Amino acid sequence: RKEVEQDPGPFNVPEGATVAFNCTYSNSASQSFFWYRQDCRKEPKLLMSVYSSGNEDGRFTAQLNRASQYISLLIRDSKLSDSATYLCVVRWGNSGGSNYKLTFGKGTLLTVNP
Amino acid sequence: NAGVTQTPKFRILKIGQSMTLQCTQDMNHNYMYWYRQDPGMGLKLIYYSVGAGITDKGEVPNGYNVSRSTTEDFPLRLELAAPSQTSVYFCASSAPGAYQPQHFGDGTRLSIL
Repeated sequence: RKEVEQDPGPFNVPEGATVAFNCTYSNSASQSFFWYRQDCRKEPKLLMSVYSSGNEDGRFTAQLNRASQYISLLIRDSKLSDSATYLCVVRWGNSGGSNYKLTFGKGTLLTVNP
Repeated sequence: NAGVTQTPKFRILKIGQSMTLQCTQDMNHNYMYWYRQDPGMGLKLIYYSVGAGITDKGEVPNGYNVSRSTTEDFPLRLELAAPSQTSVYFCASSAPGAYQPQHFGDGTRLSIL
């Protein structure tokens, strides 16, 4: 089983649509979770962290289900500028400041059409 | 407001040549990382460092070497370049802490011909 697995996509949606991305992870010892965004031929950038209670940032809502080892990202009222690849990212490492490594999913490409 | 700076941005190498990809950060981050990203694939960790003088292998270290003599710099060395090393290379840094994000450089696009 792959360590971090995402919807393969691509997703093509009209402006204003709501779109959801799903992600599963295999390591139950995973500590923290993120969604990154990567524009074409650019570096990944942090979109939002994902907390156990779920969290929202404007039009973006992230959910975490540790029992099912599942993470989601919901984008409401999608904009043309949301077109990008969305990367599910999981971190595990030892507590006490030891090495923290990230594992990236392959990403899901979203295209928002006018 | 430089953040993580990588040089060069593009490079073409011949098979068997060597080169060093430079990475420097000005955020005083302890942790630094090198990734490669092949088309349609996720990022794969090559090497990482938790502080000056400390480095460790990631998932795909073969064919690469790193050093960390200062907090700011984390160069990646390719010895005897092979076509399989054609990729986009990203350097990243972060502060310690489970929810500290990684900050990425712009990337180096490397082709081995």
